Amino acid sequence: GAGVSQTPSNKVTEKGKYVELRCDPISGHTALYWYRQSLGQGPEFLIYFQGTGAADDSGLPNDRFFAVRPEGSVSTLKIQRTERGDSAVYLCASSLAPGQGYEQYFGPGTRLTVT
Amino acid sequence: GENVEQHPSTLSVQEGDSAVIKCTYSDSASNYFPWYKQELGKRPQLIIDIRSNVGEKKDQRIAVTLNKTAKHFSLHITETQPEDSAVYFCAASGGDYKLSFGAGTTVTVRA
Repeated sequence: GAGVSQTPSNKVTEKGKYVELRCDPISGHTALYWYRQSLGQGPEFLIYFQGTGAADDSGLPNDRFFAVRPEGSVSTLKIQRTERGDSAVYLCASSLAPGQGYEQYFGPGTRLTVT
Repeated sequence: GENVEQHPSTLSVQEGDSAVIKCTYSDSASNYFPWYKQELGKRPQLIIDIRSNVGEKKDQRIAVTLNKTAKHFSLHITETQPEDSAVYFCAASGGDYKLSFGAGTTVTVRA
């Protein structure tokens, strides 16, 4: 079946602009995660959704970052007033349910470049 | 929070030899340890995982060992092949949803 998809695959934006990154999880997966991967580093947790609600947003760097999942499926990560330090690959993952018993399947990522 | 350290950062092996990657973690409550393989420009993919009630797990040429007392776990790849060349990430989780990743190991298999 179809895996996790993310759009756009690449996004170049100017400093100070607003961006939205989209994630389509695997159908039927209730848990959705956002991670950020900087060059040469492992993914870093940002936020986790169980259904429509953000169960844990402790990894969001600051209040410029926000994510929604209004219908419990597609999620959008929103970044306001982008800064050059926001440049990274933003990865989305989904799992059948939360917890260690369920593999997290990753999407291909959105490469964000802030100029 | 959990802190995962991974070594080495790069590893070059001759085709057919073994590769070993080691990770340590800080949170004694962690009990789930997956390993992901990421090829250049591709998504991370789970290759093997281990849970705290198991000391070792093997899947064909890949094996993972876990030492909870010392808080470290290792990935072993035997009979390496060129297609094993990639970046490998270890991760740890305290039984919930949040994975804490190591910084990655770039493995190059020389033909």
